[in-house]
Amino acid sequence: GAGVSQTPSNKVTEKGKYVELRCDPISGHTALYWYRQSLGQGPEFLIYFQGTGAADDSGLPNDRFFAVRPEGSVSTLKIQRTERGDSAVYLCASSRSGGATDTQYFGPGTRLTVL
Amino acid sequence: SQQGEEDPQALSIQEGENATMNCSYKTSINNLQWYRQNSGRGLVHLILIRSNEREKHSGRLRVTLDTSKKSSSLLITASRAADTASYFCATGITGRRALTFGSGTRLQVQP
Repeated sequence: GAGVSQTPSNKVTEKGKYVELRCDPISGHTALYWYRQSLGQGPEFLIYFQGTGAADDSGLPNDRFFAVRPEGSVSTLKIQRTERGDSAVYLCASSRSGGATDTQYFGPGTRLTVL
Repeated sequence: SQQGEEDPQALSIQEGENATMNCSYKTSINNLQWYRQNSGRGLVHLILIRSNEREKHSGRLRVTLDTSKKSSSLLITASRAADTASYFCATGITGRRALTFGSGTRLQVQP
């Protein structure tokens, strides 16, 4: 069975550019999460989707960050006007229904490097 | 922001020894989970303990939770070289689905 997949696995971009990171959750999982992990740190929450809607976007650092999940499956995290401080591994996770004790299954991440 | 602090930051042991990692957190929780991460990429869920539980076992893993001290420990018994990884605790709070992770313990098991 397929797990959570993320593309690309690595992305190098220049400061000021726009990037899109894609997450394909486990089939049938209604809850989807984005986290960001800086070197030597634990993941930090960005946004949580229940179906197509963003149920909690309190972790998005500023308005340069935006995420969508138009059909309740694949999600795209969009970063405008990238800055060097955006460099990190972006992790996506999905869970069956978004319950408080549902296991979150993580993808391998996208390593974003902003030069 | 990180909810938890893990101790130690790094741990090196010999194969066959036990490894103990500790996690402290700040706010009241609904549950606490432990994850493992190899090579800085995807995390693997290991075990979840609810706030009304004190101890849980899964194979070679033993997790304890002390809500009065806001702390948890993960014990890996009879460690193997394949256990080499970073281990993170993550807390869930009532009303939120996001997990808040600690900063992790890097475990090195020498063969």
